[in-house]
Amino acid sequence: GAVVSQHPSWVICKSGTSVKIECRSLDFQATTMFWYRQFPKQSLMLMATSNEGSKATYEQGVEKDKFLINHASLTLSTLTVTSAHPEDSSFYICSARTSGSYNEQFFGPGTRLTVL
Amino acid sequence: GENVEQHPSTLSVQEGDSAVIKCTYSDSASNYFPWYKQELGKGPQLIIDIRSNVGEKKDQRIAVTLNKTAKHFSLHITETQPEDSAVYFCAAYKRTNAGKSTFGDGTTLTVKP
Repeated sequence: GAVVSQHPSWVICKSGTSVKIECRSLDFQATTMFWYRQFPKQSLMLMATSNEGSKATYEQGVEKDKFLINHASLTLSTLTVTSAHPEDSSFYICSARTSGSYNEQFFGPGTRLTVL
Repeated sequence: GENVEQHPSTLSVQEGDSAVIKCTYSDSASNYFPWYKQELGKGPQLIIDIRSNVGEKKDQRIAVTLNKTAKHFSLHITETQPEDSAVYFCAAYKRTNAGKSTFGDGTTLTVKP
């Protein structure tokens, strides 16, 4: 099946710093990637939809200036958490969609962000 | 918009028994229904999916059924094993929703040895 990687798998940072998370589709081209946030024992919360070469579309309530998304190529999307605060601590997961007719999404392994 | 409800939220079965998780959706235009398994600290993994032109699909011990009229679909796991223990998410998708899927809240399955 299609493989999606994320880097780093975990990161600890100080409050006020910025953190970049990379999401790569390793064996297919992804015109669309999605970024999710997941709190413990909860479902996936969609943050934004990222289309290659265009601006990301953010879900209601998600601050686009705080969560910067760049989808510069068909295999790479990045999420930058700017001026991170403890409340940004969470599990961030990306997924990449294949170019087929249906929304076959393949998820990355996730990135655990802890802001001190 | 689409609303997906998933039941039960937790399910505990004895090893070897079957497990069934059910989801209902609200938008009759949804046409693709994947199921994901998420192990602790990992990303969700697609385990099986079904399209609206099919009523049932099976892959070894896992099967999914779809009732379009009633707008519900179910995941069936037979001969459960401890390694089946995980959180399972259902989702519903329609092409006109900007490629987004709507997820259920998840079911925590525990298989007791």
